[in-house]
Amino acid sequence: KNQVEQSPQSLIILEGKNCTLQCNYTVSPFSNLRWYKQDTGRGPVSLTIMTFSENTKSNGRYTATLDADTKQSSLHITASQLSDSASYICVVRDNNAGNMLTFGGGTRLMVKP
Amino acid sequence: DAGVIQSPRHEVTEMGQEVTLRCKPISGHDYLFWYRQTMMRGLELLIYFNNNVPIDDSGMPEDRFSAKMPNASFSTLKIQPSEPRDSAVYFCASSPPAGRLSSYNEQFFGPGTRLTVL
Repeated sequence: KNQVEQSPQSLIILEGKNCTLQCNYTVSPFSNLRWYKQDTGRGPVSLTIMTFSENTKSNGRYTATLDADTKQSSLHITASQLSDSASYICVVRDNNAGNMLTFGGGTRLMVKP
Repeated sequence: DAGVIQSPRHEVTEMGQEVTLRCKPISGHDYLFWYRQTMMRGLELLIYFNNNVPIDDSGMPEDRFSAKMPNASFSTLKIQPSEPRDSAVYFCASSPPAGRLSSYNEQFFGPGTRLTVL
């Protein structure tokens, strides 16, 4: 069964600090992995997408990494801002599953001043 | 583009009542998805359509749930009768037509409908 596990479940950091969120998956065959940001009361919005051949991808202060061998991904947030407070969801597409995705449970990040 | 539009944004109803959630996908998108999100279970896919045709409804919890897509710009998710355990945020998402890079197709989510069944 395809699974996506995220850690930690929640995280509190001070504004300006860096943090790293983890995602482990068992989805196979792998197609791609997205990190979504979900602000409170809103729908998820895609931050990055990574395919099998990509090791790292940046989007501003967000940098995602992918190790397809160990089936792990991370999302690193640099110089955190209050607006980074949100849930971050790791989503993996199965190459055989058409448009169906496997969602992680998310990491709830709170950035405090 | 206004993005995916959902209505209502909030719904409070009593157990046993019928609930209808509505979604307007992004124009030109031919995939539409209904998700349910709870603290305990996270995001769960309920059903998805392609060109107005239901493709996979294996995530629909039980017969009390039904979804329709009468045309390319409108879909409904109906719960009849509703139960307290149906309380959740229901998201609609859409994505563009499959193409050469279809595996990259991003799903664009609406703002969600927060349903509370008392």
